[in-house]
Amino acid sequence: GAGVSQSPRYKVAKRGQDVALRCDPISGHVSLFWYQQALGQGPEFLTYFQNEAQLDKSGLPSDRFFAERPEGSVSTLKIQRTQQEDSAVYLCASSLIPSYRGRETQYFGPGTRLLVL
Amino acid sequence: GQQVMQIPQYQHVQEGEDFTTYCNSSTTLSNIQWYKQRPGGHPVFLIQLVKSGEVKKQKRLTFQFGEAKKNSSLHITATQTTDVGTYFCAGPRISNFGNEKLTFGTGTRLTIIP
Repeated sequence: GAGVSQSPRYKVAKRGQDVALRCDPISGHVSLFWYQQALGQGPEFLTYFQNEAQLDKSGLPSDRFFAERPEGSVSTLKIQRTQQEDSAVYLCASSLIPSYRGRETQYFGPGTRLLVL
Repeated sequence: GQQVMQIPQYQHVQEGEDFTTYCNSSTTLSNIQWYKQRPGGHPVFLIQLVKSGEVKKQKRLTFQFGEAKKNSSLHITATQTTDVGTYFCAGPRISNFGNEKLTFGTGTRLTIIP
């Protein structure tokens, strides 16, 4: 398939565990975004990559959240010492052009549903 | 900071009735985007509006961008069960780092009564 894929689709973690969420963007897409979507809410921006460079991480809620995209394609969002309030769907989106050019269409992956017990 | 609100939060309609959701931004937007998210699914891009007063149609869906570029609406004519889902508007804003990022609205969840 040519869409954005994410894994795992579901993750249950005990409070205090570390988790790693993977995103495979559409091939050739320069921009990659991570969002957090709480139940009944719209997606909230977490961080933005242009190729391998993390240009904006202003939405990351705490220093327990870390994201990387070392080769400019696959990205990983890591959450250390998970807390119950981290329970949400984590969405990855990619777009073809750099974000500063604006007006890009973002293609979302299916998301990873994280439940922290 | 920028806020994007949508009303109503929920809408239940009989199949065949019309549906409208309204989106209001606290700041002027360069463009506005609409997404649809099916239950259990992910947001899917529907359309982008750029010009003041712009109106675009996609079959039974009509999208409008306000003259002041601070509000927008989505109207669905003669709803069908396939229209079920949550509709989000999203407005971009330039971050301190120069990239544009989307602020999503609160969403309107549409349910259809067959």
